[in-house]
Amino acid sequence: QSALTQPASVSGSPGQSITISCTGTSSDIGGYKYVSWYQQHPDKAPKLILYEVSNRPSGVSNRFSGSKSGNSASLTISGLQSEDEADYYCSSYTRSTTILFGGGTKVTVL
Amino acid sequence: QVQLVESGGGVVQPGRSLRLSCAASGFTFRNFGMHWVRQAPGKGLEWVAIIWSDGSQKYYGDSVKGRFSVSRDNTKDILYLEMDSLRAEDTAVYYCTRDPGGGSWQSMLYWGQGTLVTVSS
Repeated sequence: QSALTQPASVSGSPGQSITISCTGTSSDIGGYKYVSWYQQHPDKAPKLILYEVSNRPSGVSNRFSGSKSGNSASLTISGLQSEDEADYYCSSYTRSTTILFGGGTKVTVL
Repeated sequence: QVQLVESGGGVVQPGRSLRLSCAASGFTFRNFGMHWVRQAPGKGLEWVAIIWSDGSQKYYGDSVKGRFSVSRDNTKDILYLEMDSLRAEDTAVYYCTRDPGGGSWQSMLYWGQGTLVTVSS
């Protein structure tokens, strides 16, 4: 299975909103509500920021929001802050009862 | 608080085997699905395997299927990953992760600090 498709990089200025896309197929994103997003700072373990498309775990800022349409999902970060600079990964449950990750997107705060 | 502590990583020759362990604490281990996820140096995340809370179901990523085996000991609160026929491309940091619970086993809420496996002659 190929990885889900994410842009390699996205950038924005403090206070702006940015959106990261994640594209799959009908066998993964398009077929299920089980899309998750992870934030990873350098040399740190990933952190779950959204699950089941748009649910935030306790303690995650409401500046992070998610959506899904067809075979694609999106993560929006509102009110961009310097601490949001990190790598972001999407993942999806698949028809094969496996989990597929995206290639990752580096977010730069200008 | 939830803690996941991996161990067992190191340098191993191609074709050899290695077993990773993950000691869990701070929650009722037998109630949660557990995943292994890996990350090659400078690369993205790759899902490796999941084992359901009671160990009844196990699923694997395509690149490790038939070579890796996940298991758990719910009496000792330990998760294992047995890795056979190791290849250079298995070189990565291996993370032990726990699902959020409530049936949402498809995501990973808690992560260990990771253990590095290097496959090299």
